[in-house]
Amino acid sequence: EIMMTQSPATLSVSPGERATLSCRASQSVASNFAWYQQRPGQAPRLLIYDASTRATGVPARFSGSGSETEFTLTISSLQSEDFAVYYCQQYNNWPLYTFGQGTKLEIK
Amino acid sequence: EVQLVESGGGLVQPGGSLRLSCAASGFTFSRYDMLWVRQTRGKSLEWVSAIGTAGDPYYSGSVKGRFTISRENAKNSLYLQMNSLRAGDTAVYYCARQKGGNSANALDIWGQGTMVTVSS
Repeated sequence: EIMMTQSPATLSVSPGERATLSCRASQSVASNFAWYQQRPGQAPRLLIYDASTRATGVPARFSGSGSETEFTLTISSLQSEDFAVYYCQQYNNWPLYTFGQGTKLEIK
Repeated sequence: EVQLVESGGGLVQPGGSLRLSCAASGFTFSRYDMLWVRQTRGKSLEWVSAIGTAGDPYYSGSVKGRFTISRENAKNSLYLQMNSLRAGDTAVYYCARQKGGNSANALDIWGQGTMVTVSS
C-alpha cells in the first residue's frame, strides 16, 4: 500500500497570505495525484487532479505542483472560505487509492 | 445538476447488516467507475470498495468477504451490502464518481455521506 504523509498537520495563516501544504508518497505515483478540500459537515471536494490541473470551478488562487513522491498545494491569497481541511490522494493503481491524514488550515 | 445521494445508514449492532444505496443523477451513470469511501470520526479517508463500468468489484482488505458492492445501471444506483459489521466499520460512508477518461483517476463527484454506527 502506498502511504501518503501530509505536513504540517495544522497550518495557521492570516487571511490574504499564502499557504503552502505538502504531501509525500511512500513510492512514486507519477502525476496520479489529487488534492481535496473538506469544509466542516461537508463532503470532500476535488480541487486539483493530475498533480497540477484545477478541477472545474476551482479558483485560480489554488495551484498544485510536484510529481513522483513530492507534491505541494499552494493557495496564493487566503479567503475566509479556504479555511478547511485538505487531503491529498494518490490514484496510481485502480482502485487501490490512498489518502493523506489531512492538513487543517486555520485562521491565524 | 450532477449529484450523488446516499441513503441507508443507521445504528446497527455488531454482527449485523446494512445496505447502503447511492442514487446518481445528472450524468450517464453506466459510463463511470464508482467507489465507496469512508471517513471515521476525526480521521482521514479510506477507500472501501469500487466497481467498474463492467460490474467488476474490488474490495479493501479490511472489508473483503463481508461487504458486497453492486450497481444497477437501469436505476442509476450504486449499492453496498455490509454484513458482519464491526465497531471499526463505524464511519461516514461516501459514494464517489471517478473522473472519466483514464483507468485510474481522481474522484470528482461525492455524495453528502451517510453515517453508519456499529454499537451495542
